[in-house]
Amino acid sequence: DQQVKQNSPSLSVQEGRISILNCDYTNSMFDYFLWYKKYPAEGPTFLISISSIKDKNEDGRFTVFLNKSAKHLSLHIVPSQPGDSAVYFCAAGGGSNYKLTFGKGTLLTVNP
Amino acid sequence: EPEVTQTPSHQVTQMGQEVILRCVPISNHLYFYWYRQILGQKVEFLVSFYNNEISEKSEIFDDQFSVERPDGSNFTLKIRSTKLEDSAMYFCATKGSIVGNQPQHFGDGTRLSIL
Repeated sequence: DQQVKQNSPSLSVQEGRISILNCDYTNSMFDYFLWYKKYPAEGPTFLISISSIKDKNEDGRFTVFLNKSAKHLSLHIVPSQPGDSAVYFCAAGGGSNYKLTFGKGTLLTVNP
Repeated sequence: EPEVTQTPSHQVTQMGQEVILRCVPISNHLYFYWYRQILGQKVEFLVSFYNNEISEKSEIFDDQFSVERPDGSNFTLKIRSTKLEDSAMYFCATKGSIVGNQPQHFGDGTRLSIL
């Protein structure tokens, strides 16, 4: 099941620079997209979301962009901080129950 | 900030035994979900639950699995006869409304190890 794909298993950036995490999806029925952050031994923590009627949503240092025609979304973190180091999951939902379909995650490392 | 609480954090069980995983949802939330993550794999949807009944379940959620909310607070996942391949992290998630653009909030998970 590859409905949500995160093709980069890992990303390393310098503190203060921009982190860009990417996600692709194949199911046109998805209409709500989320990013979660996960530290070891903890559950996924909600970060930011976007509805399919929008193409951008911003919350502080975090911005999510949605390109529906390309079925692609991205998460921008600027400036990146060492505390942002974690696994980032892209998730998509739709339908009556809004179950979430997750990508495999991208391990972000922000170096001081 | 309200949070989803899961117990136990780690459960070790012999194959063939029954296990019950527990979740206390955020208090005003009405929609409940179980997901699991096998080591090295994606987080996978198991089941959603609303108004005291299952609203959707995945292929993984076979007759060995059941969910209930026995006392209006705890939300439980039972595995009747565990198999080795049931070893995984199990996450409970809850949501306040069926309206799509609300996030699900996750607990810290139960690590289930089947011997």
